[in-house]
Amino acid sequence: GAVVSQHPSWVICKSGTSVKIECRSLDFQATTMFWYRQFPKQSLMLMATSNEGSKATYEQGVEKDKFLINHASLTLSTLTVTSAHPEDSSFYICSAYPSSGSANEQFFGPGTRLTVL
Amino acid sequence: DAKTTQPPSMDCAEGRAANLPCNHSTISGNEYVYWYRQIHSQGPQYIIHGLKNNETNEMASLIITEDRKSSTLILPHATLRDTAVYYCIVRVAPGSQGNLIFGKGTKLSVKP
Repeated sequence: GAVVSQHPSWVICKSGTSVKIECRSLDFQATTMFWYRQFPKQSLMLMATSNEGSKATYEQGVEKDKFLINHASLTLSTLTVTSAHPEDSSFYICSAYPSSGSANEQFFGPGTRLTVL
Repeated sequence: DAKTTQPPSMDCAEGRAANLPCNHSTISGNEYVYWYRQIHSQGPQYIIHGLKNNETNEMASLIITEDRKSSTLILPHATLRDTAVYYCIVRVAPGSQGNLIFGKGTKLSVKP
């Protein structure tokens, strides 16, 4: 099946710094990618929808100025957590739909664990 | 998208069939039933989906009741590696670019 990668797989940073997480579709093009966040022992919560070449759509309660999303190509979306704080510590997961063909499923990346000290 | 209800946890003996139920009584005629699973600290993995007919693939079988208000995911011979949280999701037709809405899922523990 199609593969989605994320980099880095984990990151530890100091409070106040910014962290960039990359999501790549390795063998397909994706017009639409999604960013989810998962706190311990909770389910995945959608943060935003990333559309190639246009602005991301954020879910209610997600600060667009804090979580910057850039989807500059059909294979890459980035999430930047600006001025990270300990409460931003979470498991961040991206997913993507292939742009072409009759995709029946969404492909997920392996996730990035962010720890803010 | 319709809401789903799943038991919070289930146990299964290794080698036995695991039957995971899901209620989706408010499902609409154009909504499909999807199953994903998430192994600890990994991204979710697609398992199977269906509309009204039973479906089978190399991973599992999906049994949907005739009234479509509930379904069961069957792992025919569970292994320790099947220990994961299983999510039943109801959404509009495949190919749609919409996001998935995850509930709390069922934590399946396969025991030796």
